[in-house]
Amino acid sequence: SQTIHQWPATLVQPVGSPLSLECTVEGTSNPNLYWYRQAAGRGLQLLFYSVGIGQISSEVPQNLSASRPQDRQFILSSKKLLLSDSGFYLCAWSLDRRTEAFFGQGTRLTVV
Amino acid sequence: EDQVTQSPEALRLQEGESSSLNCSYTVSGLRGLFWYRQDPGKGPEFLFTLYSAGEEKEKERLKATLTKKESFLHITAPKPEDSATYLCAGLKGGSEKLVFGKGTKLTVNP
Repeated sequence: SQTIHQWPATLVQPVGSPLSLECTVEGTSNPNLYWYRQAAGRGLQLLFYSVGIGQISSEVPQNLSASRPQDRQFILSSKKLLLSDSGFYLCAWSLDRRTEAFFGQGTRLTVV
Repeated sequence: EDQVTQSPEALRLQEGESSSLNCSYTVSGLRGLFWYRQDPGKGPEFLFTLYSAGEEKEKERLKATLTKKESFLHITAPKPEDSATYLCAGLKGGSEKLVFGKGTKLTVNP
């Protein structure tokens, strides 16, 4: 069966510090991968998605970037965090465009 | 603009009191409508996918239905463990983008 791992679960970082969140999927090949952000009182917002190694599409211009160095690894990064980057970050995967996405347990990021 | 609106924002039920959650959508070229359950501090858990108007899916006390403008999540004889936030999302045609609603927070009291 497929599983998705996302870490860390919580993170407190100072403003201006770098960020690296990692997500890996097991039990499937060539999944579509996604990074979402969930802010209080708002719906999940798609940040990035990837349909293959090295292929990244950005949905929202921002202070963040994503990379997919391996088939089942997806990384969310920032060079310098802003206060507004605080939120709940979720990684997800799906088999293809039409099927459901399965989410990781999320990372609660607080920028102080 | 693509939009998914869920109502009510919050719902309190007594155990055994059936009700429905609404998800209305204006998503261009909708290719699928998804329901998720989210517990506090956790990632969303997949419940159902609906692809065409008239389609229905059931799982235990939950039944999801879809029309051309909205979807309903019917909860029959809920239990306290059904308490969670339920999220609805539409898959936009020609893209990888899921458009999420803000969710309905359901509380079931014993």
